[in-house]
Amino acid sequence: AQSVTQLGSHVSVSEGALVLLRCNYSSSVPPYLFWYVQYPNQGLQLLLKYTSAATLVKGINGFEAEFKKSETSFHLTKPSAHMSDAAEYFCAVRGDTGRRALTFGSGTRLQVQP
Amino acid sequence: EAEVAQSPRYKITEKSQAVAFWCDPISGHATLYWYRQILGQGPELLVQFQDESVVDDSQLPKDRFSAERLKGVDSTLKIQPAELGDSAMYLCASSLARGGADTQYFGPGTRLTVL
Repeated sequence: AQSVTQLGSHVSVSEGALVLLRCNYSSSVPPYLFWYVQYPNQGLQLLLKYTSAATLVKGINGFEAEFKKSETSFHLTKPSAHMSDAAEYFCAVRGDTGRRALTFGSGTRLQVQP
Repeated sequence: EAEVAQSPRYKITEKSQAVAFWCDPISGHATLYWYRQILGQGPELLVQFQDESVVDDSQLPKDRFSAERLKGVDSTLKIQPAELGDSAMYLCASSLARGGADTQYFGPGTRLTVL
């Protein structure tokens, strides 16, 4: 079985500050890991994904995430927050075999203060 | 850029009524997923299709929910009868599923409110 834990349901940062959203996973097989963003009343948009090609993954809108197997973590970062980054962020995991659907965390709402 | 289409975007219904949601995946995507997202939570899988076949419906409440993808293209999710607890966002996603870390592309969702 696989699962994802997102630490912090709400994160607030000032515009221009570092964004750090935490994600820890549990998987019995080498995982594929994803970060999605969701704006109000919209579907989910892929930010980036880890596929074992590289531990540091760069995504859209200046976001990146680092896969750390020893810590079973895949934290999302952005050096400088913009007002437009305010949204809900979801970390998700999928194992290499069997069920191909994603298992999502409970989400972290990012608030960006002017 | 190709997108997953869903309709309606919003649906308000009364308890015990029937509702249906429609999804048109990205052309050529063999795998289609229906997820339910309760407010304040992450999406959870209801049903997964590979072409026209169901490959995972273990979390689908089959006494009231049904899903079909008759020609392996678009899909319909039905709830009959709707209950208050069904109020949620229903998301459709599709992927190529050719192997590897295939990306799931999500539609805009249908927000269901049951009164």
